[in-house]
Amino acid sequence: GAVVSQHPSWVICKSGTSVKIECRSLDFQATTMFWYRQFPKQSLMLMATSNEGSKATYEQGVEKDKFLINHASLTLSTLTVTSAHPEDSSFYICSARGLAETQYFGPGTRLLVL
Amino acid sequence: DQQVKQNSPSLSVQEGRISILNCDYTNSMFDYFLWYKKYPAEGPTFLISISSIKDKNEDGRFTVFLNKSAKHLSLHIVPSQPGDSAVYFCAAADYTSGTYKYIFGTGTRLKVLA
Repeated sequence: GAVVSQHPSWVICKSGTSVKIECRSLDFQATTMFWYRQFPKQSLMLMATSNEGSKATYEQGVEKDKFLINHASLTLSTLTVTSAHPEDSSFYICSARGLAETQYFGPGTRLLVL
Repeated sequence: DQQVKQNSPSLSVQEGRISILNCDYTNSMFDYFLWYKKYPAEGPTFLISISSIKDKNEDGRFTVFLNKSAKHLSLHIVPSQPGDSAVYFCAAADYTSGTYKYIFGTGTRLKVLA
């Protein structure tokens, strides 16, 4: 149980385009989903927290117009990187939490912006 | 300001011996702690957690110890196996915003030598 999927696992795009990443909880209902970013050899940095049906809460320094988060259902959250630039290249990971406090992580999405 | 610290970036242990990974935190309001294991280009996998009302939690080969007065937790893996080789992150759950947000340490790379 507690499986979280992400799609796509890899994406390469041109600078200026937008990229959507999906995060799904496959066998449980996720009341809260989280989006993280990890740079090479660094820790996971929380970008935003989203609850189903409400607006996401962004961490300090994260541009909400740049990283659009939608949590339309209890099993799906999406992160859209708008007008991506090379500095947005990173490893993006989502996690989902059900009724318990433990977060379960997706496999991550590696984004490369050319 | 790093609220969760893993001061050892790497650790090598012989197969069959005990691996001890350490984590220190600064915020006494943290009341829930977790350990995750992560392979490159994958999402973290939940290993074990501990609430601040306990000082020890055990699950198979994994035991987490919490010393609240010292603001220190450790993960013991015994016996260590080559498949345990990965990066281990400790995380502290911060509830001050009304939902549990995880603050991750910088990780310790464990290498178990056959």
